[in-house]
Amino acid sequence: KNQVEQSPQSLIILEGKNCTLQCNYTVSPFSNLRWYKQDTGRGPVSLTIMTFSENTKSNGRYTATLDADTKQSSLHITASQLSDSASYICVVSDRGSTLGRLYFGRGTQLTVWP
Amino acid sequence: EADIYQTPRYLVIGTGKKITLECSQTMGHDKMYWYQQDPGMELHLIHYSYGVNSTEKGDLSSESTVSRIRTEHFPLTLESARPSHTSQYLCASSPQAAPTDTQYFGPGTRLTVL
Repeated sequence: KNQVEQSPQSLIILEGKNCTLQCNYTVSPFSNLRWYKQDTGRGPVSLTIMTFSENTKSNGRYTATLDADTKQSSLHITASQLSDSASYICVVSDRGSTLGRLYFGRGTQLTVWP
Repeated sequence: EADIYQTPRYLVIGTGKKITLECSQTMGHDKMYWYQQDPGMELHLIHYSYGVNSTEKGDLSSESTVSRIRTEHFPLTLESARPSHTSQYLCASSPQAAPTDTQYFGPGTRLTVL
């Protein structure tokens, strides 16, 4: 069964600190993995996308890693800001159809305190 | 910022009423999607469209219906709303391209059925 599991479910950190969010997946055949940021009451916004051959990708203070062998990904946030408070969703796409079916994790709810 | 819009943003309605959730995008994307998301849970695909006059049901069974008469519009209709329909509904679009193309999400409609 294709699944995407994220941990932790929620996380509280102080402003300026770093944190790492985890994503494990069982989706096969694998096409790509995305990290989305979803602010409360808003739609998700794409942060990074990685294909099978990519190990790491950065977008400002966000750095995503991918280990396709162990089917794990992480999102590292550096020097957190209050505006980083949001849900971070891991999304994996398969190659099994032209639709590029997406499998969503439940997200990690990050809260950054001043 | 994605040019995809949803109205209304919030809707509280009584049981049995007919409702239509609007979604429009100005990016000329062929693919459009409707997702349902409950608090703390993953997004579930309920409808998608490859283009005008194309509509398909998604993974999650839904009593809603959709139409795609124009490229830019993808409205979702509930003929008779019930409390079980209470949820957040997210619309998304993507270019007609490979599975690596990113989906752009609207801000969502928070529906409450009393």
